[in-house]
Amino acid sequence: NAGVTQTPKFRVLKTGQSMTLLCAQDMNHEYMYWYRQDPGMGLRLIHYSVGEGTTAKGEVPDGYNVSRLKKQNFLLGLESAAPSQTSVYFCASSYFSGRGYEQYFGPGTRLTVT
Amino acid sequence: QQPVQSPQAVILREGEDAVINCSSSKALYSVHWYRQKHGEAPVFLMILLKGGEQKGHEKISASFNEKKQQSSLYLTASQLSYSGTYFCGTEWGGADGLTFGKGTHLIIQP
Repeated sequence: NAGVTQTPKFRVLKTGQSMTLLCAQDMNHEYMYWYRQDPGMGLRLIHYSVGEGTTAKGEVPDGYNVSRLKKQNFLLGLESAAPSQTSVYFCASSYFSGRGYEQYFGPGTRLTVT
Repeated sequence: QQPVQSPQAVILREGEDAVINCSSSKALYSVHWYRQKHGEAPVFLMILLKGGEQKGHEKISASFNEKKQQSSLYLTASQLSYSGTYFCGTEWGGADGLTFGKGTHLIIQP
C-alpha cells in the first residue's frame, strides 16, 4: 500500500515550457487535490476533483489545468511555465471519515522555473 | 478567507507545553490539524468538528470553540519529535478542499 505517490520529485523548467505532474493513489479515495506551497504562504488549493471525470477550480487555478480520467490518478499540467510557478506541489487524496474529509498528502514535487 | 494562526513561532524546551491557535472570521464546519517536517509532506493529526474536542496520538489534543470560531492545538510534555510546522486547515462542509493557515513553527530544544 503506497498511499499517495507523485512523479517527478524534482524538475527544472525554462520559462514557456510545459509539463505534467502525475499523482496516483491506491486507497480508492474519491476525492483528490492539488496544492502549492510557497515560503510563508501555507498551502493553497489549485484544483480539486470530487470523482472520476470531474474537476473544479480552487483558490489559485490560473496557469494550471487538471484531468482525472481514472479514479486513482490526478494530473496537473502547466501549459506555459512562468517563474511565479516555482513552488513545491503537493497532491492529496481524501475520504469522508464520519468527522470530515481526512486528507493524505503525497511527498511533493519541487519545481523550479528559470 | 485564510485562517489566522498564532503564534507564528514557538521555541520550547523538551517537556514544556505549547498551545497553537487557529482563528477564522467565517463560520466553520470543521478544523483539521497537520504537522509538516522540513522537506516532507504534511501529516494528518486530527479533525475537530464544531463543538468537539479530540485526543490525538502522542500527547496532542485539540478543541474547537464554535462561539469564537477558533480551534486550539495542545502539545503536552513536548518531545523532540514534535518539532515541525503545524498547519490548521478549515473546511466549510464539503469535499472541496481545505483553506490552510500560514503555519506555526515549533522548535523543541533538549
